[in-house]
Amino acid sequence: NAGVTQTPKFRVLKTGQSMTLLCAQDMNHEYMYWYRQDPGMGLRLIHYSVGEGTTAKGEVPDGYNVSRLKKQNFLLGLESAAPSQTSVYFCASSPSGRIYGYTFGSGTRLTVV
Amino acid sequence: LAKTTQPISMDSYEGQEVNITCSHNNIATNDYITWYQQFPSQGPRFIIQGYKTKVTNEVASLFIPADRKSSTLSLPRVSLSDTAVYYCLVGDPGSNYQLIWGAGTKLIIKP
Repeated sequence: NAGVTQTPKFRVLKTGQSMTLLCAQDMNHEYMYWYRQDPGMGLRLIHYSVGEGTTAKGEVPDGYNVSRLKKQNFLLGLESAAPSQTSVYFCASSPSGRIYGYTFGSGTRLTVV
Repeated sequence: LAKTTQPISMDSYEGQEVNITCSHNNIATNDYITWYQQFPSQGPRFIIQGYKTKVTNEVASLFIPADRKSSTLSLPRVSLSDTAVYYCLVGDPGSNYQLIWGAGTKLIIKP
């Protein structure tokens, strides 16, 4: 049982480049989330999804887009990367919105130079 | 959304009991208190959740006073592997809304 899998684990981008981060979960969870975590800080919600085909903005959505075409996958896109988007990105899923049910992936470390 | 306040860091020694207190003065009537643990280079992991009085599981205990304006996570007999960041969150467990993650408490266990 893999849980939540994020790919890639590491990536270096040049300013202006684009990329997509993939999150896959095998627990049949309805809810999925993308967070970013900057050094010494807590997590900040970028976007989330309450079901296949739905997405919603979180606390810091600017510069990111998401898609949930399949229930098990939640994609995070950076259209034109900026150094301010250098961070560790975590994907999470939960069976409902209940805060005790979050399962997190191991993260993607992104550096924008 | 309710805000939580925790100590930035704490030190302790192997075998000791560690108590981390979280302040949540504006907690709503139907909010629960939830604690997560995060190791370096990993995503957070659920530890325990409670509404009032005391909750205990195989990992920790959570003490919540009657006024619910604070809570204390208790880790019995810690080991080096308990070195991590611990986050206290409050929120309605029945609704899907944005959680506010603070900086957490960095717990360092020494041999």
